[in-house]
Amino acid sequence: AQSVTQPDIHITVSEGASLELRCNYSYGATPYLFWYVQSPGQGLQLLLKYFSGDTLVQGIKGFEAEFKRSQSSFNLRKPSVHWSDAAEYFCALSGGGADGLTFGKGTHLIIQP
Amino acid sequence: DAGVIQSPRHEVTEMGQEVTLRCKPISGHDYLFWYRQTMMRGLELLIYFNNNVPIDDSGMPEDRFSAKMPNASFSTLKIQPSEPRDSAVYFCASTRTGRNSPLHFGNGTRLTVT
Repeated sequence: AQSVTQPDIHITVSEGASLELRCNYSYGATPYLFWYVQSPGQGLQLLLKYFSGDTLVQGIKGFEAEFKRSQSSFNLRKPSVHWSDAAEYFCALSGGGADGLTFGKGTHLIIQP
Repeated sequence: DAGVIQSPRHEVTEMGQEVTLRCKPISGHDYLFWYRQTMMRGLELLIYFNNNVPIDDSGMPEDRFSAKMPNASFSTLKIQPSEPRDSAVYFCASTRTGRNSPLHFGNGTRLTVT
């Protein structure tokens, strides 16, 4: 069975500091991987996705993620966070078919001044 | 493109009442998904449709839950009778066939059952 683990429930980062959100997955083959962001009262917005090719993926809002097969990880990074980045971040996995995504439990990002 | 549209945004109802949540997917998308989000269980896939046909409803928690998609532009999720433990945010999402097509989510319906 496929699964996604986000080990950090909450992360607090100072504005302007760098950010890394962890995501580990379990899947029998190379998965399709996604990061979504959810602002309060909103739906989920796609930040970036990995399907194949270059393991470093660039997304919107200055985010990037790196796929590491050996570590079964797909960590999200941003060099300098802004207060507007405070939100819930979800890592998700798909087997490639349009059968829905398996989501991690999410990481709540808090930005302190 | 208006995105995925869900209604209502908020629903408060009493235990035992019927609740109907509505979703309009993005035009041209042939897959539609219903998710439920709670603090305890996170995002759970309830059911999904392809070309208006239910493909997998294994995530539907009980017979009290039912979903329909009468046409390509409309879907409903119904709970009858509703219970307090059904309180959650329900999301609808759509996508089109193709490996590079991501899910697009609506803003959700926050359901509170008292």
